[in-house]
Amino acid sequence: NAGVTQTPKFRVLKTGQSMTLLCAQDMNHEYMYWYRQDPGMGLRLIHYSVGEGTTAKGEVPDGYNVSRLKKQNFLLGLESAAPSQTSVYFCASSYPGGGEQYFGPGTRLTVT
Amino acid sequence: AQSVTQPDIHITVSEGASLELRCNYSYGATPYLFWYVQSPGQGLQLLLKYFSGDTLVQGIKGFEAEFKRSQSSFNLRKPSVHWSDAAEYFCAVGLSGSARQLTFGSGTQLTVLP
Repeated sequence: NAGVTQTPKFRVLKTGQSMTLLCAQDMNHEYMYWYRQDPGMGLRLIHYSVGEGTTAKGEVPDGYNVSRLKKQNFLLGLESAAPSQTSVYFCASSYPGGGEQYFGPGTRLTVT
Repeated sequence: AQSVTQPDIHITVSEGASLELRCNYSYGATPYLFWYVQSPGQGLQLLLKYFSGDTLVQGIKGFEAEFKRSQSSFNLRKPSVHWSDAAEYFCAVGLSGSARQLTFGSGTQLTVLP
């Protein structure tokens, strides 16, 4: 099993450009999450999904959109990137009752 | 709202010494508690978790943590640190309810001296 994978690993965007980050999991998990990690701030939840076709806002959702068209995939979109969105983005997944989240390797995004 | 505090931003210990990383949380009910470790350039790996029952939990790599309800703490310990333990450590609190969202502390960076 690959676990949780993220594409791409690195990306540089100019302000105003758009992009989509892809997260895929092969563990048949119902729940999926997108976090951002900034120095000294730990991980903060952007959006999450409790099942195919459903999404919800987390702590810092502004400037991001998500979609969960297939159970195994969770996409994070930036419609108009801003320098404040420079960060490392992590995807995670879990079973409904398990609590434990499994994390992908991260995507390092720089917006200039 | 729940919160997690890791008061030590950076800790340095010598190899072979004991280690304790502090974690305090603020939450209205008994939380689900986790410790994750992140090596440079890597994702997060679960060290251990507490849901209920025995308040002393054992994890991987020789780590353990103790849940103390009276102190709202979940400190991570290891009796003898190895150089490979150098990493960043995150404490997290899980909400009850269906989504099991996690709130993370800001992390503690561990440096191990030879």
